[in-house]
Parts: sequence; structure tokens; C-alpha cells
Amino acid sequence: EDQVTQSPEALRLQEGESSSLNCSYTVSGLRGLFWYRQDPGKGPEFLFTLYSAGEEKEKERLKATLTKKESFLHITAPKPEDSATYLCAVLGVKNTDKLIFGTGTRLQVFP
Amino acid sequence: KAGVTQTPRYLIKTRGQQVTLSCSPISGHRSVSWYQQTPGQGLQFLFEYFSETQRNKGNFPGRFSGRQFSNSRSEMNVSTLELGDSALYLCASSLGTMTDTQYFGPGTRLTVL
Repeated sequence: EDQVTQSPEALRLQEGESSSLNCSYTVSGLRGLFWYRQDPGKGPEFLFTLYSAGEEKEKERLKATLTKKESFLHITAPKPEDSATYLCAVLGVKNTDKLIFGTGTRLQVFP
Repeated sequence: KAGVTQTPRYLIKTRGQQVTLSCSPISGHRSVSWYQQTPGQGLQFLFEYFSETQRNKGNFPGRFSGRQFSNSRSEMNVSTLELGDSALYLCASSLGTMTDTQYFGPGTRLTVL
């Protein structure tokens, strides 16, 4: 069964303190791995899609990387506005259009 | 391009009632998926519609149903509401091919009393 585990559950950072969020996955044939950001009471906002091991994508202070077993979301010099829950989801060959989500990492960045 | 829209944004119902939620996808998107989000279970897949046909279904009871119209708009219905159905219901749309990104709406917050 496809599975996604995110760690840590919660992360508190000082503004400017870089860190990484982890997403470990088990899937029978990865078609895509997705990162979303979710603010309280809102829908998830798309960040990145990664399709194959070795792929990397960047957007502002965020960089996502992918290996055959896990993905990392690196946050460089975070700001308070980066505070949110970051969700990872996978799409496997056996689950057409059914995203399997992790439980997320709740990030708080303090000034 | 306008994003995914969902109506209503908030709903309060009592046990035993039924409810219908609506989702309008991004223009040109043919696939609409529905998810339930609760603090304890996180985001869980309900079902997905593509070209008016249910293409995939999650592990939810038959009280949860949906449909999609020819303009790709989708509705989700929950009958005989239970307290445990209180959640944020999210709709996501995509072009509908195998690796397309799903874009989420703001959600409908359902509270069952």
C-alpha cells in the first residue's frame, strides 16, 4: 500500500535559520511527488512537482529534491511569512489521480 | 486564470440531514477530485471525476457521493450526516492526465451538530 511519512511533525525556526523537511514514501511506481503549502483554514497551495530521482526544483527560499525513497524541502533563510503547514503527496501507478498525503510538517518561523 | 472555487465556504448542519457542496474547476480542467481533511486523519481522498464519470474512489461509505456535469463543475453530497463528518472538504482540479498537478480550492468547512 502506498504510504507517505513526513518529519518532523512540527518545526520552530528563528528567522534566517535554514532547515529541511523530510518526506519518506513507499509507492509502487512513482508517477509524481507533490509539495503543497497550507495556511490555516485555507486549501493547499501548490509548490512543486518532482517526477524522478535526482530532480530538483527551486522557488524563492524553497528547494525540493527527490531520491528513490524520500524528498526534502529545504528552506533557506526563512521569514515569518513562510510559517505554514507543508504537505507532501505522492501519485503512484496503481492509484489514478488519487493523491496520498502525509500528515504534514507545521513550520513556525519567529522574528 | 481564475482558481478553483467552492461554495459554500461554511456550513452548519445537524445530524441526520444531508448536504451538497459545489466545486468549479479551473477553466480547461476536466478532472475534479474531492478530499476530506480532519485534524486526526489529515487529507483523505474521497473520489475523482473525469468527463462526468467517476474514475477513482476512496474508502468512504456510500453516504458520500458525487457527480460531475458537462461543464466539469462537480457536486459532492453527504446524506444522513454524522458528527464525524465535520471536516474541511477540499476540491482539486487538474487537466486529467496521469501526472498532472492538482490545484486545490479554498474548501468548505462543514460542522455537524
